[in-house]
Amino acid sequence: SQQGEEDPQALSIQEGENATMNCSYKTSINNLQWYRQNSGRGLVHLILIRSNEREKHSGRLRVTLDTSKKSSSLLITASRAADTASYFCATDGDKIIFGKGTRLHILP
Amino acid sequence: DAGVIQSPRHEVTEMGQEVTLRCKPISGHDYLFWYRQTMMRGLELLIYFNNNVPIDDSGMPEDRFSAKMPNASFSTLKIQPSEPRDSAVYFCASSWYRPLNQPQHFGDGTRLSIL
Repeated sequence: SQQGEEDPQALSIQEGENATMNCSYKTSINNLQWYRQNSGRGLVHLILIRSNEREKHSGRLRVTLDTSKKSSSLLITASRAADTASYFCATDGDKIIFGKGTRLHILP
Repeated sequence: DAGVIQSPRHEVTEMGQEVTLRCKPISGHDYLFWYRQTMMRGLELLIYFNNNVPIDDSGMPEDRFSAKMPNASFSTLKIQPSEPRDSAVYFCASSWYRPLNQPQHFGDGTRLSIL
């Protein structure tokens, strides 16, 4: 897999449920960021987690980082229709690399 | 506050033509990035600048691509000559500190179609 690769590629859940997305990477990093992209728009920064941090929260978002496993997860709690978007992780190993994203669809 | 501004939003042109994409970063941001997004390859970093100086252009696909930043408020990405495989969405982003140490702010992109 490539650096900064998310899974699953696509996820459909009912409104109100929690959504979890994962990101794996290969080389050591200093920072990992998560972004959201709505259709036809640019990416919007959600949260930054540094390599010496294990967990961060921002509103309904929770991000974890496990540097020993070279992985991160993004949890969105109590999902809403407006959360329908693609979600990307970005890492700063040798280069800045974005994953191909997880397409999240919230069903009414 | 104005965000990152890109123009044009859409560009359709014929193979072989020169294409120029423009970007105005957020005032005060010292870093500017150009990305390309396709279904096959995802989001790829092409080049980034710090204080108007190119720092890493290793992502520029070939000599047909060039980028300049003549001042702190303007950058261009040029493709000459253009080819159908250059069709993609091109994003510009800026940040006030070094890559991924701070959030990047993205424009809404230029959707480029080369016929």
